[in-house]
Amino acid sequence: EPEVTQTPSHQVTQMGQEVILRCVPISNHLYFYWYRQILGQKVEFLVSFYNNEISEKSEIFDDQFSVERPDGSNFTLKIRSTKLEDSAMYFCASSEGQGFTLHDPQHFGDGTRLSIL
Amino acid sequence: DAKTTQPPSMDCAEGRAANLPCNHSTISGNEYVYWYRQIHSQGPQYIIHGLKNNETNEMASLIITEDRKSSTLILPHATLRDTAVYYCIATVSGSARQLTFGSGTQLTVLP
Repeated sequence: EPEVTQTPSHQVTQMGQEVILRCVPISNHLYFYWYRQILGQKVEFLVSFYNNEISEKSEIFDDQFSVERPDGSNFTLKIRSTKLEDSAMYFCASSEGQGFTLHDPQHFGDGTRLSIL
Repeated sequence: DAKTTQPPSMDCAEGRAANLPCNHSTISGNEYVYWYRQIHSQGPQYIIHGLKNNETNEMASLIITEDRKSSTLILPHATLRDTAVYYCIATVSGSARQLTFGSGTQLTVLP
């Protein structure tokens, strides 16, 4: 069964450094998402992406964050200058997004654990 | 999106059916009910979704009451690997919009 893959599984970065998290969504999917989960807390939405632009973003997704689909298969999340509070699991998701009702489910990857030192 | 309410925790004996309830009394007519689970900090895993009819797939069954104010996820023969946090989410579009995860129900399957 096709799946969303994320790399790396664990990323350790010094505070203030830039980090790029990578995702390969399921191949025929049109909507892409990033979520994060701070240890012991809820899964939180960051951003959704469709047709090469951001379609929705949360308050968390400030100017330090950006997303890109650099080619036909990858979807990336960049944090420009990391802070200690960016330490979390980051999950990528994708959905087909086809049809009028758009009720296809989102499918998640297993995440990248980001640790900021 | 309609607010959902789930019990914080439940236990179930291995091999028995696990019935996980979800209350969504303010759900609107065009909101679907989605169920996901998260096994020990892995990514949320999609289980099933429905609008008003009962649904079944290889993982679970979803029973939605006639008034749509509540639903039950049924895992017919729970195994130890079903131990996870289960999330019930009501939303107009599971595909084009953010999913709002609550605290979910921690299901523990006991040997």
